[in-house]
Amino acid sequence: GAVVSQHPSRVICKSGTSVKIECRSLDFQATTMFWYRQFPKQSLMLMATSNEGSKATYEQGVEKDKFLINHASLTLSTLTVTSAHPEDSSFYICSARDSQRGNEQFFGPGTRLTVL
Amino acid sequence: SQKIEQNSEALNIQEGKTATLTCNYTNYSPAYLQWYRQDPGRGPVFLLLIRENEKEKRKERLKVTFDTTLKQSLFHITASQPADSATYLCALDKSWGKLQFGAGTQVVVTP
Repeated sequence: GAVVSQHPSRVICKSGTSVKIECRSLDFQATTMFWYRQFPKQSLMLMATSNEGSKATYEQGVEKDKFLINHASLTLSTLTVTSAHPEDSSFYICSARDSQRGNEQFFGPGTRLTVL
Repeated sequence: SQKIEQNSEALNIQEGKTATLTCNYTNYSPAYLQWYRQDPGRGPVFLLLIRENEKEKRKERLKVTFDTTLKQSLFHITASQPADSATYLCALDKSWGKLQFGAGTQVVVTP
């Protein structure tokens, strides 16, 4: 149990286009999901917290208009990278917390975004 | 702001030996600390959580200690196997599940 999926696993896009990444909790309900970004050889950096039915909260330095987050249901959160540029190329990872399991977070497999 | 430090150098270890990884933090002691495993191109996988009032936690061949005085956690892999080769991340909960991760330490177990 406690599986989180992400789609797509890899995406290559042209500069200026928008890319949507989906994060799903497959066998539990997640009132809170988190979005992280990881550059090569670096740690995961929290971008934003996604709460079902309300606006996401963003970490300092993360542009909310560039990284649009929607958490429309208890099992789905989406991250849209708008007007992507090469510097947005990174590994995007979501996590979901199952409130019935306490503080443990379950991470998705990640999405590799490459912006040409 | 909180800083989390993990050994940046890869830890090369022979199969069967014990690998010991260090996680140091600089400021406030969190209510709990977590350790994750990350394989290349994959998301982290939760391993262990230790609370501030726990000195030690074990799970199979894994052992974690938490010293709030030293502001340090140690992560041990006993009887290491090549399948244990991965990057190990420690993470602190900043608040309400928002995790701050260390950069991770790569472990390479050779037969």
